[in-house]
Amino acid sequence: DAKTTQPPSMDCAEGRAANLPCNHSTISGNEYVYWYRQIHSQGPQYIIHGLKNNETNEMASLIITEDRKSSTLILPHATLRDTAVYYCIVRARMDSSYKLIFGSGTRLLVRP
Amino acid sequence: DAGVIQSPRHEVTEMGQEVTLRCKPISGHDYLFWYRQTMMRGLELLIYFNNNVPIDDSGMPEDRFSAKMPNASFSTLKIQPSEPRDSAVYFCASTQWSGSGWETQYFGPGTRLLVL
Repeated sequence: DAKTTQPPSMDCAEGRAANLPCNHSTISGNEYVYWYRQIHSQGPQYIIHGLKNNETNEMASLIITEDRKSSTLILPHATLRDTAVYYCIVRARMDSSYKLIFGSGTRLLVRP
Repeated sequence: DAGVIQSPRHEVTEMGQEVTLRCKPISGHDYLFWYRQTMMRGLELLIYFNNNVPIDDSGMPEDRFSAKMPNASFSTLKIQPSEPRDSAVYFCASTQWSGSGWETQYFGPGTRLLVL
């Protein structure tokens, strides 16, 4: 699976958009980009995933560049409850394995 | 559904003792994963099962660790004998094959283990 690079920490003001970048320059054609987050002391929580098109759900939007070498997770109106560690994971669509390799993630602090 | 259930939520034990962590996956899920999280190593996959069969245990640190899944609704992770360096948060997760290839993993609340 491709390696991802994320900034170790970021902050944003409550109510503003939080844009979390992820670099995955070695991604291959069959690999998806997943985002999970981990709020303090809890288990990781799935946010969104995508292959090459931009995706949006009730939690966030995922913007993937045309060359697929990087992506951005957007929390449109960050709240204090969005303070968490955000993990960008690249994984191939597999038939028999669902291994997720978690990196160090980005620690997002939402300021009041 | 109640989600993935883990017990105990906290465990404090002394070095050399046997520790057993338990997990009940979401009903109907056919994959179960055990992860360990520490400050030094982050979140790492230990082992995962498909239809109660261990598929990949390459992340299990050593023979002191063992995992079983006797049925679709129950799994255990055992450490015998435990050591202080085993102190960590242990997460269980489950998912269900749907054919899409991107199934979401649902994590339990974790068991916080402290070995003195």
